[in-house]
Amino acid sequence: QVQLVQSGPEVTKPGASVKVSCQTSGFTFTNYHLIWVRQAPGQGLTYMGWIRPSNGDANYLQKFQGRVSMTADTSTNTAYMEVRGLTSDDTAVYYCARLFGVLADTPRIDYWGQGTLVTVSS
Amino acid sequence: QSALTQPASVSGSPGQSITISCSKTSSDVGNFDVVSWFQQHPGQPPRLIIYEVSKRPSGVSDRFSGSKSGDTASLTISGLQTDDEADYYCCSYAGRLTFLFGGGTKVTVL
Repeated sequence: QVQLVQSGPEVTKPGASVKVSCQTSGFTFTNYHLIWVRQAPGQGLTYMGWIRPSNGDANYLQKFQGRVSMTADTSTNTAYMEVRGLTSDDTAVYYCARLFGVLADTPRIDYWGQGTLVTVSS
Repeated sequence: QSALTQPASVSGSPGQSITISCSKTSSDVGNFDVVSWFQQHPGQPPRLIIYEVSKRPSGVSDRFSGSKSGDTASLTISGLQTDDEADYYCCSYAGRLTFLFGGGTKVTVL
């Protein structure tokens, strides 16, 4: 069965960086795009960007450009997302998720990781 | 302000039907033809319950149905059950693998 298992919670200080992992199984990692979505405490969902593990192409929402990097390791079927220059506004649960239907131009987010809480506090 | 507007809350009694709206308020949303809905229980990741406006993934109850008219998509939950109490988010594909989410609707079962 499709699984996306993320790394554990992180507590970090303002100005620092954090790297969250998303280990996948149950599907061919290089056949899909993955995305990252975050959710601040008590707030809604915010799309951040995508990565194509087969060739490493990535694209980020403008508000995250320059501060976020998405990478993938095809030897371990694991995706990573790094956020730099953290502020308290980055405190959130970060989710990885799989995109289905990209080639048909009707993509949907079909499977999600369990989420990783990142807390930024001095 | 989100480009997709949802009511903050909707409530209903067990057995009733409720409808959650999702209105496109910005051209940034794209053509609004690829709309999904997600259910999220507290402390859990979102779960896909409707895609491409009205299709249900395997395993999702047929009590959930989706529709769209003009610039408003809707999610209807019929035969409301206590386990339906959750947050619901609409999501539109905005092109170039970009997605926009609505602000979310809290469903309360009275």
